Amino acid sequence: SQKIEQNSEALNIQEGKTATLTCNYTNYSPAYLQWYRQDPGRGPVFLLLIRENEKEKRKERLKVTFDTTLKQSLFHITASQPADSATYLCALDAIHNSGYALNFGKGTSLLVTP
Amino acid sequence: SQTIHQWPATLVQPVGSPLSLECTVEGTSNPNLYWYRQAAGRGLQLLFYSVGIGQISSEVPQNLSASRPQDRQFILSSKKLLLSDSGFYLCAWSRPRAGKNIQYFGAGTRLSVL
Repeated sequence: SQKIEQNSEALNIQEGKTATLTCNYTNYSPAYLQWYRQDPGRGPVFLLLIRENEKEKRKERLKVTFDTTLKQSLFHITASQPADSATYLCALDAIHNSGYALNFGKGTSLLVTP
Repeated sequence: SQTIHQWPATLVQPVGSPLSLECTVEGTSNPNLYWYRQAAGRGLQLLFYSVGIGQISSEVPQNLSASRPQDRQFILSSKKLLLSDSGFYLCAWSRPRAGKNIQYFGAGTRLSVL
């Protein structure tokens, strides 16, 4: 069966350090992989999309890597700030009953302390 | 620009009562529309998605149903709520026929069935 695995344990880091979150998947052949941010009590917000033929994608302090051989994506936040504290979800396209929809991982909670 | 509205934000309902959650999208035509549920400590579970008026795909057999009476309106319903229907319900949209399937979420409805 298809699985998307993210570290269920919360990641606690100090302000200014780089946070690295992992997304592993099985039984997918994704053309894209997406990362979302979700704050408590809010809907997820799209952050970045990386294509299967891209090794790395950057947006400001965010960097995503995508290794289709390892079936893994890494999400990095450099110079982290307390405002980066949130849950981060990875998502992959999956075939559903009559088309494509996204499957989401359960997310990893990030806490950045001053 | 596109916006998505979802209401109510919070709802407390007794077991056996009906449910109607509404979601509307503005600023785009013929969007793909989605209903997700997020239970405490669990990931996003896709419940329904729709690629057009009257076209509903159900992902999980359950006590809920969805309807799309207008192009940009998506409604989640139940005739009789169960305790297990409690959770955080999210509506989302994506651009039609877009391979990337980036999803844009509403603010969510916190449903408590007592």
